[in-house]
Amino acid sequence: KNEVEQSPQNLTAQEGEFITINCSYSVGISALHWLQQHPGGGIVSLFMLSSGKKKHGRLIATINIQEKHSSLHITATQTTDVGTYFCAGGTTGTASKLTFGTGTRLQVTL
Amino acid sequence: GAVVSQHPSWVICKSGTSVKIECRSLDFQATTMFWYRQFPKQSLMLMATSNEGSKATYEQGVEKDKFLINHASLTLSTLTVTSAHPEDSSFYICSALAGRTYNEQFFGPGTRLTVL
Repeated sequence: KNEVEQSPQNLTAQEGEFITINCSYSVGISALHWLQQHPGGGIVSLFMLSSGKKKHGRLIATINIQEKHSSLHITATQTTDVGTYFCAGGTTGTASKLTFGTGTRLQVTL
Repeated sequence: GAVVSQHPSWVICKSGTSVKIECRSLDFQATTMFWYRQFPKQSLMLMATSNEGSKATYEQGVEKDKFLINHASLTLSTLTVTSAHPEDSSFYICSALAGRTYNEQFFGPGTRLTVL
């Protein structure tokens, strides 16, 4: 059974702060997704990783396949970053279903 | 980019009635869509995989007779909650697969169901 563990559950950052969210996953997962759920409920896919590192703006995602660990970093957090961040495990094959982690709720203070 | 819509965005119904939720891919064809359920302050739980032209595949513990899924076209999947009860109140989210390798998921905005 694919499992995904995520930490921390809650995170409060000051605006401008660098933050990290961690995700560990089990054998059987070969692709790791990072997603953001906005306070209104909408979900946006941020990254899909099977190896290495990806960067988009202030967001950086890394994955260590040997250790089965992935991290999402946000450099210089902004108030627009608030929401819940999920990592989700899948496979690199087509039509892969996702197993979601428990989520990290991010609040940003001024 | 790939856009997925859901309708309605929220619905309130009486216990015992059935509710249909639509999930549409607006600018691409989706042979595979997924339905998730999310309770307050919890994660998303996959309910079923919806495949165009064939029966849906349900996750363990999800009653297929209660949550009817129909994927009749390449752009539309529907989830019908039959004989809804208060415990079915939840946030229902669909996603559709797109991308060159068909493993990028694009999520709908969700439907909030409240059963009185």
